[in-house]
Amino acid sequence: KAGVTQTPRYLIKTRGQQVTLSCSPISGHRSVSWYQQTPGQGLQFLFEYFSETQRNKGNFPGRFSGRQFSNSRSEMNVSTLELGDSALYLCASSLPELGQGRKTGELFFGEGSRLTVL
Amino acid sequence: AQSVTQLDSHVSVSEGTPVLLRCNYSSSYSPSLFWYVQHPNKGLQLLLKYTSAATLVKGINGFEAEFKKSETSFHLTKPSAHMSDAAEYFCVAVNSGYSTLTFGKGTMLLVSP
Repeated sequence: KAGVTQTPRYLIKTRGQQVTLSCSPISGHRSVSWYQQTPGQGLQFLFEYFSETQRNKGNFPGRFSGRQFSNSRSEMNVSTLELGDSALYLCASSLPELGQGRKTGELFFGEGSRLTVL
Repeated sequence: AQSVTQLDSHVSVSEGTPVLLRCNYSSSYSPSLFWYVQHPNKGLQLLLKYTSAATLVKGINGFEAEFKKSETSFHLTKPSAHMSDAAEYFCVAVNSGYSTLTFGKGTMLLVSP
């Protein structure tokens, strides 16, 4: 069974540009969540999608957005990039829900997209 | 509110010696707890999980953790460190409603020959 696939793995952008990152979850997983990881702030939750709907959102500015498609693939977009957006962006998918939105807690992570903003 | 505290940001051990990575949680309920490992430039991988069954949980690569409710702890241990264990380790809690995950800030394990 293929794991979580994130593309691109590495990218370099300049301030003011925008970027789109893609995540293909494990087949059958309907929940996809995104995390930003930096040396200073650690792992921070960005948002979570389930069945094409954003279910939870972390404390990030509106420049960070995402969406999920009917095949559960997800994209996140960052507009007007800032130097501080340089980070490893991780996507995780999870097993089918326990019911009523209850999570198993078991996440399957991709290898991440490393964004450098110059 | 739920919180997870990893008591050490860095732990250094020699190869062949025991490993102890400490995690305390704070929750109104007994949460489900997990340990994840992240090797350099990789995503996180599940090591083990506690979901209110046996309090001593065995995971992959010889790691185990013990849930101690009285101490609100879920420390990760391994009898003998291997060079390949060098990585960052995250303790994670899922609240009783299973709706939110809380990550600790991570512990970097350094293993010297």
